Amino acid sequence: DAKTTQPTSMDCAEGRAANLPCNHSTISGNEYVYWYRQIHSQGPQYIIHGLKNNETNEMASLIITEDRKSSTLILPHATLRDTAVYYCIVRVGANTGFQKLVFGTGTRLLVSP
Amino acid sequence: AAGVIQSPRHLIKEKRETATLKCYPIPRHDTVYWYQQGPGQDPQFLISFYEKMQSDKGSIPDRFSAQQFSDYHSELNMSSLELGDSALYFCASSSQTSGLNTDTQYFGPGTRLTVL
Repeated sequence: DAKTTQPTSMDCAEGRAANLPCNHSTISGNEYVYWYRQIHSQGPQYIIHGLKNNETNEMASLIITEDRKSSTLILPHATLRDTAVYYCIVRVGANTGFQKLVFGTGTRLLVSP
Repeated sequence: AAGVIQSPRHLIKEKRETATLKCYPIPRHDTVYWYQQGPGQDPQFLISFYEKMQSDKGSIPDRFSAQQFSDYHSELNMSSLELGDSALYFCASSSQTSGLNTDTQYFGPGTRLTVL
């Protein structure tokens, strides 16, 4: 699986958009970008994933560059409850089976009032 | 929606004792993954099962074993516990057979194991 690079920490004001970057310059053509977050000692929570098109769901948006070497997770209106460690993970995609998640160090996002 | 269930949520054991952690996947999920997260560390993959067969193995100690049962629940058995086994243990489940782009792993709340 490709390695990812994320900022160690980021701050965001409540109500503002949080933009979390991730570099994955060695990503392969069949690898997806997944985002999870972990709120203090809770189980990691799935946020969103994508292959090459931008994706949006009720939690966030995922913007993947055209060359797929980097991506940005966008939380459009951050709340205090979004304070967590955010993990960007690259893995071979769906329907290939049995693909463990390899967690890096993630980005610690602090949302402040 | 039903989520992954793990039991117990907290467990305290003495060194050299044994422990059994249980995981009940989301209904109709056929794959179970186990992860270990030590204090201040990121989750690390231990082992996974699909249709009751081991599908992948990570850095799981030989003192640990796991299995998946016919109802798809899984148990992680840990023997000769050491102080360093104190950690959060997460189970995740996914579906390989529901079609489309849906083998996303969903995590349970974890079991916090403390070895004294």
